Amino acid sequence: KAGVTQTPRYLIKTRGQQVTLSCSPISGHRSVSWYQQTPGQGLQFLFEYFSETQRNKGNFPGRFSGRQFSNSRSEMNVSTLELGDSALYLCASSLVGSATNEKLFFGSGTQLSVL
Amino acid sequence: AQSVTQLDSHVSVSEGTPVLLRCNYSSSYSPSLFWYVQHPNKGLQLLLKYTSAATLVKGINGFEAEFKKSETSFHLTKPSAHMSDAAEYFCVVSDVVGDMRFGAGTRLTVKP
Repeated sequence: KAGVTQTPRYLIKTRGQQVTLSCSPISGHRSVSWYQQTPGQGLQFLFEYFSETQRNKGNFPGRFSGRQFSNSRSEMNVSTLELGDSALYLCASSLVGSATNEKLFFGSGTQLSVL
Repeated sequence: AQSVTQLDSHVSVSEGTPVLLRCNYSSSYSPSLFWYVQHPNKGLQLLLKYTSAATLVKGINGFEAEFKKSETSFHLTKPSAHMSDAAEYFCVVSDVVGDMRFGAGTRLTVKP
């Protein structure tokens, strides 16, 4: 069974541009979460999607948005990129997304560098 | 609001000695608690989780954690460290379905 797949693996953008990251969850998983990981801030929760609806959201500005498709694949978009957006963006999926104790399965992440 | 604090950003131990990684949490409800590990250039992997069935939770690779409600703690321990345990460890709390909050992480170094 394939794991969580994130594309692209690496991305270089300049300030002001926008970027779209993709995440394919494990087959059958319905919940997809996104995290930003930086050396200074650690792992910060961005948002979580379940059945094509954003169910939870962290404390990030509106420049960060996402969506989930009917096949559970998810995309994350960051508009008007800032230098501080440089980070490893991790996607995680869980099977049912109906309990707080579900295990998350993580992808390898997309390393975004903003120049 | 739920939150988690990992009390040490870096822990260094010698191989064969015990490991203790400390975690305190804050939650309005009865939370689920987890420990995840991240090895260099690898994804995050679940070590163990607490879901109110038992206060002492055993995980993979010889790790275990004890839930202490009175102290709002969920410390991770291992009796004897191996070189392969060197990694970043994250304590995680969740009391809202679909919303997991990670601690800042503790980097474990194991000296030969």
